[in-house]
Amino acid sequence: EADIYQTPRYLVIGTGKKITLECSQTMGHDKMYWYQQDPGMELHLIHYSYGVNSTEKGDLSSESTVSRIRTEHFPLTLESARPSHTSQYLCASSRGTSGSQETQYFGPGTRLLVL
Amino acid sequence: QKEVEQDPGPLSVPEGAIVSLNCTYSNSAFQYFMWYRQYSRKGPELLMYTYSSGNKEDGRFTAQVDKSSKYISLFIRDSQPSDSATYLCAMSLPSGNTPLVFGKGTRLSVIA
Repeated sequence: EADIYQTPRYLVIGTGKKITLECSQTMGHDKMYWYQQDPGMELHLIHYSYGVNSTEKGDLSSESTVSRIRTEHFPLTLESARPSHTSQYLCASSRGTSGSQETQYFGPGTRLLVL
Repeated sequence: QKEVEQDPGPLSVPEGAIVSLNCTYSNSAFQYFMWYRQYSRKGPELLMYTYSSGNKEDGRFTAQVDKSSKYISLFIRDSQPSDSATYLCAMSLPSGNTPLVFGKGTRLSVIA
């Protein structure tokens, strides 16, 4: 079982609030990812990191930001939440030193509802 | 055309049936192929991983890769209601410099 954790698991918050979704892994993986997934829909990569102090935007434009100060920690921040941010956010990590190690391990997800 | 195409379903089968799930891809450089299973409101979990062409079997699951046709399959034998989930294919390049490319996922229901 993958050792990757996300908090909170569920969050209901009002419009305009700043929120931070936490993601931590204890596998020593260099690469970490954030995906957004609406119910029954496909995964959309919004951010990824290949190591400390490295962050990249994914395929889906997002108003969120990320940071990678420690290998094990990859938080995602929304400065001003809006109802359009309502979704499930999934964090993943991979060892990622070659194509064979790109296998990603996912956390349980954070379900966000912005009122 | 998306790099990875996967029929979203839904696919509904009776318990005990053999299920075939498929993905096609356009980038011949993909060499590593994975299948993930995602239960409702959960994160995806890795089911099978294969390298290049050929078959790989794990219990009731068989993953098959046909690189000449750019086609991968996941077979589930003796399907169970607990197999009801969304199945996502994913693939990667040998360089390790780009994230996995996922299919949209196929929703499977196994009816008891």
